[in-house]
Amino acid sequence: QQQVKQSPQSLIVQKGGISIINCAYENTAFDYFPWYQQFPGKGPALLIAIRPDVSEKKEGRFTISFNKSAKQFSLHIMDSQPGDSATYFCAASTEGGATNKLIFGTGTLLAVQP
Amino acid sequence: NAGVTQTPKFQVLKTGQSMTLQCAQDMNHNSMYWYRQDPGMGLRLIYYSASEGTTDKGEVPNGYNVSRLNKREFSLRLESAAPSQTSVYFCVSLGLNTGELFFGEGSRLTVL
Repeated sequence: QQQVKQSPQSLIVQKGGISIINCAYENTAFDYFPWYQQFPGKGPALLIAIRPDVSEKKEGRFTISFNKSAKQFSLHIMDSQPGDSATYFCAASTEGGATNKLIFGTGTLLAVQP
Repeated sequence: NAGVTQTPKFQVLKTGQSMTLQCAQDMNHNSMYWYRQDPGMGLRLIYYSASEGTTDKGEVPNGYNVSRLNKREFSLRLESAAPSQTSVYFCVSLGLNTGELFFGEGSRLTVL
């Protein structure tokens, strides 16, 4: 059962544009929503995370927008750069993340064209 | 500080062969995991270990066994490899009180 649905599967953006990746979840008990970034040949690494007490979190060019009522959250990459080309995974878990049950989306392959 | 180290990075097996993926972390984390990554399937949890001496099944445990040798090491064994186990395997540890997962660089396994 896929509890976190991620879209699109792939995305091509021009340099300087905005990249938007969306995720939807089903389990209302989820209370920790991280995004992981994976470069080719490497393991994923935490990019940014949000908890549902806020609707938005920004770190540099990366922003998570969270809509609790719609059970959706999204990653926005402003001023996208070729170095942002990677696979992005959304995820969700309970207990603020201090749990063994982190559920991942299926990933989005982002290509930023120069 | 090496983080999470897993070996081997690449392995080719024939159907029915066995092998063990080794993993060690030097961050004093309690919880460790094995995930597999397949195209279009995302990251799926195979087994996890919340602490030394304990292991539990994840989403896709069939065909695998694990051993939490000590706090640092967590190994994954394929007793009789099948082509369906062709995948990239990641060893992961959970940061203390942060919720952040730390991934190894992955082991690419091909079963012919």
